[in-house]
Amino acid sequence: EAQVTQNPRYLITVTGKKLTVTCSQNMNHEYMSWYRQDPGLGLRQIYYSMNVEVTDKGDVPEGYKVSRKEKRNFPLILESPSPNQTSLYFCASSPEFGPLHFGNGTRLTVT
Amino acid sequence: AQSVTQPDIHITVSEGASLELRCNYSYGATPYLFWYVQSPGQGLQLLLKYFSGDTLVQGIKGFEAEFKRSQSSFNLRKPSVHWSDAAEYFCAVHFGNEKLTFGTGTRLTIIP
Repeated sequence: EAQVTQNPRYLITVTGKKLTVTCSQNMNHEYMSWYRQDPGLGLRQIYYSMNVEVTDKGDVPEGYKVSRKEKRNFPLILESPSPNQTSLYFCASSPEFGPLHFGNGTRLTVT
Repeated sequence: AQSVTQPDIHITVSEGASLELRCNYSYGATPYLFWYVQSPGQGLQLLLKYFSGDTLVQGIKGFEAEFKRSQSSFNLRKPSVHWSDAAEYFCAVHFGNEKLTFGTGTRLTIIP
């Protein structure tokens, strides 16, 4: 089944404790992206990647890192999480300019 | 500046009534246009897309959208809503670069 898989679905952590949210897709898509969703703000892009070893900042990249060492994986790294990064995070992939396929989301709480 | 606007934050519609959700964009050329739906606790699912050609596009679940270049709009419609259509709807636009820009969403409530 074609899908984007994010893990974990829920994560509660404390300020400053490094964490990684994994994202994997099995559709051989070149493009992958991370979004955060906050009430009243819609989805805002954090980082995106057009292909392996190519990553670019989105609209809200501060406090986040990504890597794209393999085509299928695009992990999101929070080196030192802060409470303002409490949010619902989505990973997505697509062929170039095609429709996005979304994961089921990761709800992160930073206390 | 490139932007996407969904002017309605929340819409309430009776079951069986018609629905129109608005989406406007600001851009000098014709972008790629999408509508996504998000059910509670779920990721986003593509309803329909417009790249070129016929300006009235059909999507899944009985939805359609019409691209109007003169109005820079891509409104989503459904002739008769069902209780299962209650969700949040997002308009999204590719402005010719790598980024897909989302509107802030419209939450749809269905009343019996």
